[in-house]
Amino acid sequence: GAVVSQHPSWVICKSGTSVKIECRSLDFQATTMFWYRQFPKQSLMLMATSNEGSKATYEQGVEKDKFLINHASLTLSTLTVTSAHPEDSSFYICSARGRSGGEQFFGPGTRLTVL
Amino acid sequence: AQTVTQSQPEMSVQEAETVTLSCTYDTSESDYYLFWYKQPPSRQMILVIRQEAYKQQNATENRFSVNFQKAAKSFSLKISDSQLGDAAMYFCASRLYYGGSQGNLIFGKGTKLSVKP
Repeated sequence: GAVVSQHPSWVICKSGTSVKIECRSLDFQATTMFWYRQFPKQSLMLMATSNEGSKATYEQGVEKDKFLINHASLTLSTLTVTSAHPEDSSFYICSARGRSGGEQFFGPGTRLTVL
Repeated sequence: AQTVTQSQPEMSVQEAETVTLSCTYDTSESDYYLFWYKQPPSRQMILVIRQEAYKQQNATENRFSVNFQKAAKSFSLKISDSQLGDAAMYFCASRLYYGGSQGNLIFGKGTKLSVKP
């Protein structure tokens, strides 16, 4: 299957700083990218969806000014957690889907710890 | 609204035995896909099996098969000849398909599967 990478895999930052997480589709063009958040022992919660050339669509309850999403190209999406606080500590997973629709491929996730 | 329910928070199976994970869903749409994803301790989401709602035949992938009961809105996963590597969280998910567009994946809460040697 297609490969989606995320960087970094693990990040620790101080409260009040911003953190950027990159998501790349390595061998296909991702017209749609998704960002999920997963708390320990819980399911994936969709945060936002971004389509090529459009602004991200955020799910209800997700602060768009705090979680900035940029779908910069057909192979790259970034999630920036601005002014991070300890409650933002979580596991963030990106996912990508190509032009033909169908299967959605997942990145390996990024563990964010805010001190 | 689209919902996916997994009523078994945890399941356990003996190595080489068979286990069935339950999933029910609710949707008013006629075109949709159903999925089972595996999330091992590495937390990488892996697609196990996929079923198109319009297909009556149950999907199979090697040791993994589903029992798709459309009228009952049930989509269970059967793992045969369980292996230690099958130990993971399993998520059932659905996705609508309408007018050539794909909806978002809706996940259940997951079932943690343990495999005993």
